Formats: sequence, structure tokens, C-alpha cells
Amino acid sequence: IVLTQSPGTLSLSPGERATLSCRASQSVTSNYLAWYQQKPGQTPRLLIYGASTRATGIPDRFSGSGSGTDFTLTISRLEPEDFAVYYCQKYGSSLHTFGQGTKLEIK
Amino acid sequence: QVQLVESGGGLVKPGGSLRLSCAASGFAFSDFYMTWIRQAPGKGLEWVSYISSSSSYKQYADSVKGRFTISRDNAKNSLYLQMNSLRAEDTAVYYCARLGYCTGGSCYSSYYYAMDVWGQGTTVTVSS
Repeated sequence: IVLTQSPGTLSLSPGERATLSCRASQSVTSNYLAWYQQKPGQTPRLLIYGASTRATGIPDRFSGSGSGTDFTLTISRLEPEDFAVYYCQKYGSSLHTFGQGTKLEIK
Repeated sequence: QVQLVESGGGLVKPGGSLRLSCAASGFAFSDFYMTWIRQAPGKGLEWVSYISSSSSYKQYADSVKGRFTISRDNAKNSLYLQMNSLRAEDTAVYYCARLGYCTGGSCYSSYYYAMDVWGQGTTVTVSS
């Protein structure tokens, strides 16, 4: 399964809403789809698993949705610390694959 | 405190070998599936391999299959990645991570879980 994220770069201002897309080349079994955030020089952090469940300690401005081949990460109101690179990832019984990432930058 | 610490990275010539280690602490390592991920300079994340808690099940990315071997020693709370026939394109930061989910004192792990704890990474450079 190939995961394609769009857009490659998203330029927004603090307070705005961000919508990031992840499209799979085949249906993702049981929505085994995760989202990670990576800030410059830092280790990735798990945000969302099971397509829509927030990981421990993740603010509720982050939400995940979708099923099958189309998934979305939404950040309802951007905070300055949210500007980073976001990756979707498919997991499960076969190969675990990442998307190429979306860079969320300050406009 | 749940922690993963990678080591073993360095500079190696093309065709050479290297063994990475990941030391786990603060959780029941033997209960968890573990995984390796890498990130080439300025590039995105690439999943490399995962291993089941008992070592009975392993999976590899096509890009490393036949060259890399994942293993673990539950008695030493350690995960390993043996990398042979290294190429320039293997140059990356290598992260180990835990596949699992913990809540209310109970933890769950299999390949049906995401990467909930990551190490800080170790850098591998393949160059002549």
C-alpha cells in the first residue's frame, strides 16, 4: 500500500484550521492508520491511531477521520507549536508504510 | 520512565556492516512488539522492520530485505538491527519504537498498534 499525503506544504496562520489529507492506494484494513507529528530536530510523536483516536496527552484540537482509502487530520485552531511536519502511517499485519509527509508552515 | 535509547551508529564504508542496539527501560519490554524506522537527511520517515514480542514474527521493508536482520534479547531488554551490505542510500537516522498502547495500567501490543514510544535515534552514515 502506498500512502500519498497532500498538500506537500500547507501555509496557514495561527488560529486557522488545518486539513491534511492521506490517501491510500488500497483500502487500509480496519482503519489501521496513524498520524505523527515531527518538529525540527525532534523525534516523531504519535498523535492519532485507529484513524480517529487521539493518543494520550494529545490536545482535542487534533482530530482524525476517514476510512478505506481516504483519511484526514484536522487541527481545528492552529497554535504556534503545531507548525511541524505530519506523517500518516499504515500499520497492521503486513508492511508498515509512511506517507511522504505534509509540512505545515507559518504563513 | 518509559525510555528507548539507540546506539551503534557511525560511519561505515559501502558494503560494510553495522549493528544497532536499542535499550529499553521503564516498561515490560518482553511484552511489546518493537520496530525500526529510519529517516534519511532532509527526508521523510521510512519504516524498516518490526519484530514480535517472542521473536517469532518479523517483517521487513523491501528496501532492506535480505540485508538487514532484526532481533531482540528480552533478558537484556534490548532490540537490535544487524545491517549488512550497506549502501549510501542507507544513510539515515535510525529510530527504534514500541508498537503498543497503554491505558489505566494495562498495556497492549501487536502489529495492530501504532508506534507510541520512540527513541532519540542513532545516525548511520555510509560513505567511502
